[in-house]
Amino acid sequence: EIVLTQSPGTLSLSPGERATLSCRASQSVSDNYVAWFQQTLGRAPRLLIYRASIRATGVPDRFSGSGSGTDFTLTIYSLEPEDFAVYYCQQYGSIPYTFGQGTKLEIK
Amino acid sequence: QVQMEQSGAEVERPGSSVKVSCKASGGSLTSYSFNWVRQAPGQGLEWLGRIIPVFDTRQYAQKFQDRVTITADKFTDTVYLELSSLTSDDTAVYFCARHNTVTTILGFDVWGRGTQVTVSS
Repeated sequence: EIVLTQSPGTLSLSPGERATLSCRASQSVSDNYVAWFQQTLGRAPRLLIYRASIRATGVPDRFSGSGSGTDFTLTIYSLEPEDFAVYYCQQYGSIPYTFGQGTKLEIK
Repeated sequence: QVQMEQSGAEVERPGSSVKVSCKASGGSLTSYSFNWVRQAPGQGLEWLGRIIPVFDTRQYAQKFQDRVTITADKFTDTVYLELSSLTSDDTAVYFCARHNTVTTILGFDVWGRGTQVTVSS
């Protein structure tokens, strides 16, 4: 099983700032099948990024994914008020699919 | 627009079973796998397993192997999750999510709204 470790656990920033979220895998992720999700309270996760760097339909271009192998990053350029949420990475390259423990992005 | 419509909240006794449904409205089960993911209160996301209805194949997380069953009804475009031997640790919101089996790169692109399962005596 691939274990995903996200850091930091909590990130405190102000609107307009840049957020950098990290996701490290315990072993290389097949085909870089890493996704990033955004979740707000009481809602289902929303797909932001798939295959490490491709934005899903309708996702603003301030969201950017990068990385390969075992190290992946989600960058949010110029934070908007609606971006403050919890973010999860996921690997879907090998069964069992696994998620990171999440990064909470909060307003400073 | 494809939506995943999940069944309503359930309250179950410890030791019993629960069955949750997820209907693909506006689409069919063909070309997709359907995954179940749960989220305990204040916790992260946990994958339970998946089914590929067109092949009738399924895979489960080892943690749930002994007490989870995922099935699909191709006539009603509905998938089901059944979890047995419930304990309070199974209290969670259960989500279904689809994954394109042809264009696998897309990942879990459509999710249901979730079904609250509460296990309490």
